[in-house]
Parts: sequence; C-alpha cells; structure tokens
Amino acid sequence: GAVVSQHPSWVICKSGTSVKIECRSLDFQATTMFWYRQFPKQSLMLMATSNEGSKATYEQGVEKDKFLINHASLTLSTLTVTSAHPEDSSFYICSARDTGAAHQYFGPGTRLTVT
Amino acid sequence: ELKVEQNPLFLSMQEGKNYTIYCNYSTTSDRLYWYRQDPGKSLESLFVLLSNGAVKQEGRLMASLDTKARLSTLHITAAVHDLSATYFCAVDSNYQLIWGAGTKLIIKP
Repeated sequence: GAVVSQHPSWVICKSGTSVKIECRSLDFQATTMFWYRQFPKQSLMLMATSNEGSKATYEQGVEKDKFLINHASLTLSTLTVTSAHPEDSSFYICSARDTGAAHQYFGPGTRLTVT
Repeated sequence: ELKVEQNPLFLSMQEGKNYTIYCNYSTTSDRLYWYRQDPGKSLESLFVLLSNGAVKQEGRLMASLDTKARLSTLHITAAVHDLSATYFCAVDSNYQLIWGAGTKLIIKP
C-alpha cells in the first residue's frame, strides 16, 4: 500500500530557531501534498496545500512567511517553521495524494515542541 | 461552505455493546472517509465511501453513506477494548478534506 513518511517524528527546539519537517511519498508520486496541524484533543486543521513545482496555497490565518512550504519533487514536500515560538508547538501531519487518485495517505506525524 | 458535524463527540461504552457514530455534512460531496486516530499517532484510514448507499465493513466496524441525507454512519458491533480511539469522518471538497471534530470512543472492559 501507499506509504508516506515524515522526518523527524519528534523535535524539540528553542524559541527563535527554525525547524524543517520532511514529508515523502515512498512508493507513489504525489502531485499534491497537504500539511495539517493538530492541537491536543482537536481535529486536524489544514494549513496549506502544496502542489509540485508551484507555490503552496495557504489557508486563511496561516502565515506563509512563517510556515514555508517547498514541494520540489513528486515525492518530497518540506515544511519549515521559521522563528519558532512556544505557540507553534503542535502535532504536524502531512498527507499526499496519489497522482490520478483521490485518496490521501497520511504520514505518521511530527511532534514539535518549542521551548 | 462545507461543514461536517460529528456526534457524539465523546462516547464511553461497555464491551459487547453496539453503537453508532454519525457524520452529517452540509453540501454535496461524492467522497466520504472514516479515519481512526490513536493517542499520539497519526491517522489510519478505515473506509472510503464513494456512492449513495455504499456500505463497507471491516471486522466490527461498518460504515454507510446516504448522500441524499448527507449522512454517514460508523456502526460498532459488539465493541471490544481495542477499538478505543478517536474516529474522524472527513468529506472531500475539491480534493481537500473537510474534517469532523472527531468522536473519542472509550470502551470499558
């Protein structure tokens, strides 16, 4: 079955630093990848939609200069949290849509803690 | 704007009992998904429902879709402790998923 990996699975960083999270589709090509964040006991919140070779589309209220998304290939998208603050601490989940299919496959998530 | 409502949001039940989680959505969609999430984990795909009247079953879980009523149900039969998790429904809107709030299910031995 389709597999999506994320790296790292967890990260602790200090306020003001930047953190990069990678999302890879391992056995399929993903024209579109999605980035979500999830706070404890809440549902998923879509942050942005990333299309290979073009700029990401950010949801309302998500700062594009703070959450930099790059989707340089059909198997890799990255999310960089710049100048992280404690309120950015969250569970970040990516998903990838198989080209030609409608189903999204989810990565295992990255837990970010900013101290 | 497409909205998705799940109920109940929290459900505590005894092993061996049956129960149903409901997912209502506000506008037309032709795909509905059910996911399971364990604490601290990502999402596990359970079912994809693509058409009116679709019914899918896996073990003690059965999902159905009524596109006319804009309603999907996830039915749990003879619940067991291992089914304790949070269950989300999500509706496809132009290939983006609109999520329900989730139903936290606790099954007591």
